[in-house]
Amino acid sequence: DTEVTQTPKHLVMGMTNKKSLKCEQHMGHRAMYWYKQKAKKPPELMFVYSYEKLSINESVPSRFSPECPNSSLLNLHLHALQPEDSALYLCASSRWGAVTEAFFGQGTRLTVV
Amino acid sequence: ELKVEQNPLFLSMQEGKNYTIYCNYSTTSDRLYWYRQDPGKSLESLFVLLSNGAVKQEGRLMASLDTKARLSTLHITAAVHDLSATYFCAVDSPTQGGSEKLVFGKGTKLTVNP
Repeated sequence: DTEVTQTPKHLVMGMTNKKSLKCEQHMGHRAMYWYKQKAKKPPELMFVYSYEKLSINESVPSRFSPECPNSSLLNLHLHALQPEDSALYLCASSRWGAVTEAFFGQGTRLTVV
Repeated sequence: ELKVEQNPLFLSMQEGKNYTIYCNYSTTSDRLYWYRQDPGKSLESLFVLLSNGAVKQEGRLMASLDTKARLSTLHITAAVHDLSATYFCAVDSPTQGGSEKLVFGKGTKLTVNP
């Protein structure tokens, strides 16, 4: 099983809403990532979790709040987003160690209205 | 700071032709990845290149890595329409703790015309 599953696939939310994106993997990977991808741009790293601990925060605004409840799950809590936050949000996972390869989920297409 | 440059950014080619996409990066790294992305879809891993001189082939695509030149190439042989997509190279930027921070090139949008 080399699958990273993200839900929902599409999300439309208002600027005052609170929502969460979910990501799950069962490959035993101990590193999990959130990337943001705007249209016609490359993915940009937001957060990295290693062994359920936040190891990298790429200066992401606090309206995005990541959470890693266990080694298989990664959430991204969203609150008071702006229209410019509309993007494809990609979750990825990889083994922890010297040789790694990141596997990406199908993404959540987020639209903030 | 690691920078990754791809060229060309746009490539329109005819079916049956050959072409090469280039990926240069600015700091030492032994790991380079090629991904494919179809419109509105996620990233599909194509190749993982882990050492100098690595060459991998899958169908009409072949990727190579020269770590001394900090250059990877993705060569397309006898292109077909199904190869139309955006191709990203990504380089591993080491972090504390062993997790992987990928820095992506801007992508090459490939269109293969009949």
